[in-house]
Amino acid sequence: QQQVKQSPQSLIVQKGGISIINCAYENTAFDYFPWYQQFPGKGPALLIAIRPDVSEKKEGRFTISFNKSAKQFSLHIMDSQPGDSATYFCAASMDYGQNFVFGPGTRLSVLP
Amino acid sequence: EAGVAQSPRYKIIEKRQSVAFWCNPISGHATLYWYQQILGQGPKLLIQFQNNGVVDDSQLPKDRFSAERLKGVDSTLKIQPAKLEDSAVYLCASSLLDRENEKLFFGSGTQLSVL
Repeated sequence: QQQVKQSPQSLIVQKGGISIINCAYENTAFDYFPWYQQFPGKGPALLIAIRPDVSEKKEGRFTISFNKSAKQFSLHIMDSQPGDSATYFCAASMDYGQNFVFGPGTRLSVLP
Repeated sequence: EAGVAQSPRYKIIEKRQSVAFWCNPISGHATLYWYQQILGQGPKLLIQFQNNGVVDDSQLPKDRFSAERLKGVDSTLKIQPAKLEDSAVYLCASSLLDRENEKLFFGSGTQLSVL
């Protein structure tokens, strides 16, 4: 019940295309859903986050869509660039950072 | 603003040896996490501290892993004795963790290889 499932495991997109990564959770007590980006040799860094009281949040080329009833959320990267090539992790937590769990990751490659 | 500092950057040991990792969080961050990241997987929470108290250590293999956070600032994670399956990157993260800011700041990690 503490798991966060993520798909696809890997994704290849052409430059300028849209990258979509999906996550699902079971525990309805989760109330914070961030996406982290990780480059090789570095720790993950926060990209964008959403709370369940909104269905969508957009920051630049990055958008989170949240479906509370389906217990699913997704990351959309518009106009994908080669510099976006990284591993993306969805995560979830509750009660101000308790039970902070990460999905297994999606390795994104954006071809020039 | 200085980030989360971790050392060493790399460590190679033989199985059954002991190893220790050090983390210095961002100044003022009360919450500190240790995560284990096995190659190709997402980070797995080992232990969470709030100041110098343990909030969650349910996934810490306590027969071989130990962690402490003296004076609510720096933290050390120790493995004794190490097993082959402990080969991973050990990430430290810190956070202010108030309602407006639940962002975790990660260090670059310590890559452990157990031979």
